[in-house]
Amino acid sequence: DTAVSQTPKYLVTQMGNDKSIKCEQNLGHDTMYWYKQDSKKFLKIMFSYNNKELIINETVPNRFSPKSPDKAHLNLHINSLELGDSAVYFCASRGQGTWGMNTEAFFGQGTRLTVV
Amino acid sequence: TQLLEQSPQFLSIQEGENLTVYCNSSSVFSSLQWYRQEPGEGPVLLVTVVTGGEVKKLKRLTFQFGDARKDSSLHITAAQPGDTGLYLCAGARYGNKLVFGAGTILRVKS
Repeated sequence: DTAVSQTPKYLVTQMGNDKSIKCEQNLGHDTMYWYKQDSKKFLKIMFSYNNKELIINETVPNRFSPKSPDKAHLNLHINSLELGDSAVYFCASRGQGTWGMNTEAFFGQGTRLTVV
Repeated sequence: TQLLEQSPQFLSIQEGENLTVYCNSSSVFSSLQWYRQEPGEGPVLLVTVVTGGEVKKLKRLTFQFGDARKDSSLHITAAQPGDTGLYLCAGARYGNKLVFGAGTILRVKS
């Protein structure tokens, strides 16, 4: 039973299209994230939600809109896709722990988005 | 400007050699974590260090947290081809923010 699952694993689409990536975690965690990993493997935080509430938005273009219908799900919708959006997008979740800062982040397998 | 500077970016060594990866910052972190990522997968946690000066060992891997909690290192003794992968350090900040270094791609040749 996968702890953090995201779909689809691969997504090839044309410039200008709108697409969504879904993420679900069954760990009972309060916090979920979206990260973008570029071709140089740098993992950059995009958004973080805590109990369905947006707490981190790292100056991501507003073409990217996260949505959390409940604390087990965090979806990412991207409008008007551009070539530069091509990357691997990772969803992650994290429990509270002591002070909420030392716990392990569990990652999904990633969604490889290719915009052509 | 990255919050966490990780070096080296690439490392290609022979089986049996030792290596060290560094993770440095001008900021203090409540904890530092090291993750390993294999192709086609998400990062997986190796260790969390919390206390300044802390040293943790995981078989042939030794992790150290700097006294000032601004830097960390990962040392691998007698590297094996199975150690090949992307190693990422991550720092925990306020508000549940977890930021990553740029990563070190390690290749161990047999």
